[in-house]
Amino acid sequence: QSVLTQPPSASGTPGQRVTVSCSGGSSNIGRNTVNWYQQLPGAAPRIVMYNYNKRPSGVPDRFSGSQSGTSASLAISGLQPEDEAEYHCAAWDDSLNAWVFGGGTKLTVL
Amino acid sequence: QVQLQESGPGLVKPPQTLSLTCTVSGASISRGGYYWSWIRQHPGKGLEWIGHIYYSGSTTYNPSLKSRVTISVDTSKNQFSLNLSSVTAADTAVYYCAREDIDESGSFYAHWGQGKLVTVSS
Repeated sequence: QSVLTQPPSASGTPGQRVTVSCSGGSSNIGRNTVNWYQQLPGAAPRIVMYNYNKRPSGVPDRFSGSQSGTSASLAISGLQPEDEAEYHCAAWDDSLNAWVFGGGTKLTVL
Repeated sequence: QVQLQESGPGLVKPPQTLSLTCTVSGASISRGGYYWSWIRQHPGKGLEWIGHIYYSGSTTYNPSLKSRVTISVDTSKNQFSLNLSSVTAADTAVYYCAREDIDESGSFYAHWGQGKLVTVSS
């Protein structure tokens, strides 16, 4: 049981805009910024959004992040086949004094 | 560029101790400014943070694993290590080492090892 809650799956067709949600609580998302990681099958996670809306170099500007209250979301516009991956949200939890993650959302490009 | 590489046994018998080492290249652990972490992923599941260490040796552990975890650093070898004691089948997972980068707004994992599958079985 993950501390942060994500839908297990999401899907979209090429060119569409999809969003992946992440819900937490007052001790994690409510106090700290959310990071998003993309994980291709068999590979290590890769950071695609940090401090809820900053994109590392190399990540297309089709990716955007938002955060409000105890929830956050990752949006991907102009969906591409190479976006098909598992997406994980993460935040520091001030009560646990630990990083907490969501269970991951498998994004399928139809 | 920064690279991390996990090493250690891929099979551990219960209730022995799981021991992994992460070798860092392209960055010096002793320069400070970063936390060095262990994160695991059970088969088909999400990520679970195990803990992190600063170059000084200061550690923070996941409360759910704290009684069994020790993370240590060897700055002379530019390595940090994970020991997880009294393992059971529930500790079977891919174990990642990672560097936690810090900026003015927070921190995030920008660099990861490729992961090491560790199976716990007699």
